[in-house]
Amino acid sequence: EPEVTQTPSHQVTQMGQEVILRCVPISNHLYFYWYRQILGQKVEFLVSFYNNEISEKSEIFDDQFSVERPDGSNFTLKIRSTKLEDSAMYFCASSEFGVPYEQYFGPGTRLTVT
Amino acid sequence: QKEVEQDPGPLSVPEGAIVSLNCTYSNSAFQYFMWYRQYSRKGPELLMYTYSSGNKEDGRFTAQVDKSSKYISLFIRDSQPSDSATYLCAMSFDQAGTALIFGKGTTLSVSS
Repeated sequence: EPEVTQTPSHQVTQMGQEVILRCVPISNHLYFYWYRQILGQKVEFLVSFYNNEISEKSEIFDDQFSVERPDGSNFTLKIRSTKLEDSAMYFCASSEFGVPYEQYFGPGTRLTVT
Repeated sequence: QKEVEQDPGPLSVPEGAIVSLNCTYSNSAFQYFMWYRQYSRKGPELLMYTYSSGNKEDGRFTAQVDKSSKYISLFIRDSQPSDSATYLCAMSFDQAGTALIFGKGTTLSVSS
């Protein structure tokens, strides 16, 4: 069964460093998403992406964040200058065109900022 | 406003029990209502979705949506120890590429 994959599974970085989280969405999906989940908190939407453009973004997704689809399979989230409060699980998700509610999530990347 | 409220539990039941999980919401513009299951330190797994009001059944799982009360439920019949997980409700507008707005999740433990 097709699935969303994410790398790395765990990333440790120092405050102020840049990190790139990688995702490979399901191959025939056209919408891509990033969410985050701080330990013990809700899963929160960050951004959605379609046709090489951001479709929607939340207040969390400020200038420190960026997304890119560098090739036909990868989807990345970059955090330019990490803060302690960026420590969280980051989930990538994807959905087919026309079924935005059926979002399939990857296993997540646990980001720890020290 | 995009608030979704869900009792975090924990909820502990014996094997075979019927489980009822619920969420309330404030934004009447939500059109799609989803239930996800999340195991510890894993990604959310889509269980079911419902459009607008009504019921939907899939095996031991039944989802209900009451838009007039802004209340959704997930029922699990004949619960199994393998059902032990955190159950997240999520909602969205009827719009391509839109965000899912999640509840905090209810942690369920089914004992054998």
